[in-house]
Parts: sequence; C-alpha cells; structure tokens
Amino acid sequence: QQKVQQSPESLIVPEGGMASLNCTFSDRNSQYFWWYRQHSGEGPKALMSIFSNGDKKEGRFTAHLNKASLHVSLHIKDSQPSDSALYFCADNTGNYKYVFGAGTRLKVIA
Amino acid sequence: DMKVTQMPRYLIKRMGENVLLECGQDMSHETMYWYRQDPGLGLQLIYISYDVDSNSEGDIPKGYRVSRKKREHFSLILDSAKTNQTSVYFCASSLLGGQNTLYFGAGTRLSVL
Repeated sequence: QQKVQQSPESLIVPEGGMASLNCTFSDRNSQYFWWYRQHSGEGPKALMSIFSNGDKKEGRFTAHLNKASLHVSLHIKDSQPSDSALYFCADNTGNYKYVFGAGTRLKVIA
Repeated sequence: DMKVTQMPRYLIKRMGENVLLECGQDMSHETMYWYRQDPGLGLQLIYISYDVDSNSEGDIPKGYRVSRKKREHFSLILDSAKTNQTSVYFCASSLLGGQNTLYFGAGTRLSVL
C-alpha cells in the first residue's frame, strides 16, 4: 500500500529561523507531490506542488524533490509566527488518490 | 468564489444513531473526497467520487457509505454510528488528475458518545 512517512513529528524554530520538513514516499510511480498547511480549526490548504526533480521556490518556501531517493522536503526561510501550523505532504501516482503523511507540527516562537 | 462548504461544523451523536455529513462545492469539480483526521494518523481516505453516482472505496470505507446525486454535492453517511468513528471529517474536491489542487472544507467535528 502506498505510504508517506513524514519527519519530524514536531518542530520548534525561532522567528526568523529556517524550518525543514521531510517526506519519504513508497511508490516509485508517484508523479505529483504536494505540501498542504493546516492552521488550527481550519481545513488543509495547498501550499505548493512539485512535479520535477530539483528545487521549486515560492517566496519564503522552497520544495525539493528527489524521485530516485523517494524524498521530498520543504524549507521555510525567515519563519514567522503565522507559519505555525500542521504541515502535510501528499503524493499522487496520477490517479485520483492522494496519499497524505501523518503531518509535522511546526511552532515558530517569537 | 472557490469554496467547499461542510455542514454541520460540530455534531454530537449517541452510539447507534445515524449520521449524515454534507458537503458542497461551487467549482464544478468532477472529483470529490471524504477524509477523516485523527491525531498522529494524518488524513485517511474514506471514499472517492469521480462524478455523479460514480463512487469508489478509499482506504478505510468500513462503516461508511456515500451518496452523490449532484456534481456539487457529496454526502457521507454513518449507519448506526460507533464510538470509534469520533473524528474530524473533511470533504475535498478537485479537477481530474493528480496535478490538480485539492480544496478542503473546514471540517465537521463528530463526537459519538
């Protein structure tokens, strides 16, 4: 069964610091990779997607994908208290099914 | 406006009662989903709907059924709810294909006593 492992489970970073989140997926057929963010009391919202090997940068957020090592990561530069949330990675093999990791809880302290 | 609306937001039921969770979307997305979220387990897929009357089991369908009679509306039904179905339930929708964004509703927090 397709699985996605996320690490760490939780992370505390100082305001202005760098947060690094990791995912390992199990299906070599996975094609599409997503990061979702969920603030307390809300539904998850898509943060960014990455479909090709290498880096993708959107503002303070950079995703990195290495399909050979089945690894995707998210790096948040200059972390802000508003970045405190639960972060999920998800993959999709091109069918309708998105598989989510268990999440990383990020707390940014002032 | 791109929105997924879930009703109700909070629900308390007794064990053995029937439960209906409703979801609507205004984006004409073909595909809709029901997930449940439990601490430490992430989002687990219950059912997928590819379009009206075209539904498929996800990873944890036992104890649940769904109904989709209109493209914009997708219901999750728990017949004779159990205490282990206490959870937060999320509905989502997307265009066809894994390269498309999933849009989630705000969730329904269900407690089965």
